[in-house]
Amino acid sequence: KNEVEQSPQNLTAQEGEFITINCSYSVGISALHWLQQHPGGGIVSLFMLSSGKKKHGRLIATINIQEKHSSLHITASHPRDSAVYICAETTGNQFYFGTGTSLTVIP
Amino acid sequence: GAVVSQHPSRVICKSGTSVKIECRSLDFQATTMFWYRQFPKQSLMLMATSNEGSKATYEQGVEKDKFLINHASLTLSTLTVTSAHPEDSSFYICSARVAGSPRTQYFGPGTRLLVL
Repeated sequence: KNEVEQSPQNLTAQEGEFITINCSYSVGISALHWLQQHPGGGIVSLFMLSSGKKKHGRLIATINIQEKHSSLHITASHPRDSAVYICAETTGNQFYFGTGTSLTVIP
Repeated sequence: GAVVSQHPSRVICKSGTSVKIECRSLDFQATTMFWYRQFPKQSLMLMATSNEGSKATYEQGVEKDKFLINHASLTLSTLTVTSAHPEDSSFYICSARVAGSPRTQYFGPGTRLLVL
């Protein structure tokens, strides 16, 4: 069974700060997802990646397959970025979720 | 991007009643849909995998007679919580896998169920 670990569990940042959230997994994967869960519960899929790096606006996701590690970066953070960020990996049919990182960005 | 909708977004019901939650893929066909449950401050837990036209596959510990899943078309799956009890109160999330693209999965916004 794959284990997905995220760090930190909780993160508070000042508006404008550069933020990094880390995700490690224990076995080989076919894809890794970064999800954003808003306070009301809704989930938005931010990235799906299996190698390299992806960028969307102020969000950047990277993955190192050899090290079984992925990072989500937020540049110029804003209070609206406050949410729970979840990494999830899939080896095919099954998804394994991290427990999430709760981010609070203070104005 | 692809969109998955869930209805209702919130539901409050009395203990003993049944609640149906719909999950729809709006602009793509989904041969497989997944149902997850999330308790407060916990990670999503897979309940069952729903394949169009066949019986759902339930995870260990999930009662199939209590959580009825019907995947009648390539764009719709329903989860019915039968004889709901307060301990069934949770956040239910579906996701849909794009037909022909096994790694691509889109999540619905979730349904918050409160059983009184």
